[in-house]
Amino acid sequence: ELKVEQNPLFLSMQEGKNYTIYCNYSTTSDRLYWYRQDPGKSLESLFVLLSNGAVKQEGRLMASLDTKARLSTLHITAAVHDLSATYFCAVDKNYGQNFVFGPGTRLSVLP
Amino acid sequence: KAGVTQTPRYLIKTRGQQVTLSCSPISGHRSVSWYQQTPGQGLQFLFEYFSETQRNKGNFPGRFSGRQFSNSRSEMNVSTLELGDSALYLCASSLRVLLLNEQFFGPGTRLTVL
Repeated sequence: ELKVEQNPLFLSMQEGKNYTIYCNYSTTSDRLYWYRQDPGKSLESLFVLLSNGAVKQEGRLMASLDTKARLSTLHITAAVHDLSATYFCAVDKNYGQNFVFGPGTRLSVLP
Repeated sequence: KAGVTQTPRYLIKTRGQQVTLSCSPISGHRSVSWYQQTPGQGLQFLFEYFSETQRNKGNFPGRFSGRQFSNSRSEMNVSTLELGDSALYLCASSLRVLLLNEQFFGPGTRLTVL
């Protein structure tokens, strides 16, 4: 059974600081997705990582994938308050038949 | 391009009733997946439909069922509602191409069971 873990589950950081969220998964997969969810809202797609070594960047967020280590990271650079949200990673199971989501990391960026 | 739409956005039901939720995918997307989100269990996969066929199913009781129509619109039904069914139900659509299964989520239907 595919399991997806994230750490930390809660993250409180000050504006301007850097931090990394980790996503580990238990079985082989080379498709990993990051989503953002604001309180009371739906999920917004952030990054799609489709191969080992893939790196994607958008603004202050950068995601990478190491399929051999079964690890993806979401790095936050110089955090700003607008990045406060819950971030989920999700791994493809059976090549697209369904996703398995991690528990989410609730990020709070304090001014 | 219009996004994924879900109706209704909010529902209040009582135990024992049944409910039907609707989802319209992005135009051209033939895959529709349903998820249940609760504070305790997180995001859990319910089922996926592709070309009117259920392709995969999560670990939910038979009270949860769904279907997909020829225009790719999907409905989800929950019968004999229980208090624990209170949740945000999210629908996602995808092109479901082998190398890319990026899922785009609708706004969700918040179901409250009293």
